[in-house]
Amino acid sequence: DARVTQTPRHKVTEMGQEVTMRCQPILGHNTVFWYRQTMMQGLELLAYFRNRAPLDDSGMPKDRFSAEMPDATLATLKIQPSEPRDSAVYFCASGTDRRQPQHFGDGTRLSIL
Amino acid sequence: AQTVTQSQPEMSVQEAETVTLSCTYDTSESDYYLFWYKQPPSRQMILVIRQEAYKQQNATENRFSVNFQKAAKSFSLKISDSQLGDAAMYFCAYNTSGSRLTFGEGTQLTVNP
Repeated sequence: DARVTQTPRHKVTEMGQEVTMRCQPILGHNTVFWYRQTMMQGLELLAYFRNRAPLDDSGMPKDRFSAEMPDATLATLKIQPSEPRDSAVYFCASGTDRRQPQHFGDGTRLSIL
Repeated sequence: AQTVTQSQPEMSVQEAETVTLSCTYDTSESDYYLFWYKQPPSRQMILVIRQEAYKQQNATENRFSVNFQKAAKSFSLKISDSQLGDAAMYFCAYNTSGSRLTFGEGTQLTVNP
């Protein structure tokens, strides 16, 4: 079965450090999403791309978060500088069109000390 | 803004019994898609079932079925013959324009042996 691959699976680092999370979408999927899951906010959309172009990043704190898609097989989410409130599980998902379900990666559990 | 509400933070069911999880949503769109995702302790997001708003027939997938009431904006999930492996957090999600998913708060389902 095709899968969305996320790395790393876990990340623990100190506040102020740069964090980079990576995602390999399913081959042939042209839309990539980044979601964040916390106990307080639940699952919320941070940003998404279609055909590698950013369509919406309104859910991201612009001053510290950035999302890119350097090629069709790689999406990245960076946090610089990281803060303890960024601690969460970050999911990448990929899909084709709104009629089809999104496929999620296993998530990156991020802990900022 | 579109919202999705799951009014039951927790539910429990006896093994082999039936349970229904509730979900309501708010939208001004006429064409949209609804999903139920399951998140076990492994934190994977697994698609359970999908419903297209323009279809009146309720979707079914083996032991899982939905009761879709478009006028009432209700989309409940019924799990029949509950199994221990069904224990998980269940999220209702609405697919807005642009393919982004809006999630409910989740319902934690416990299956008692």
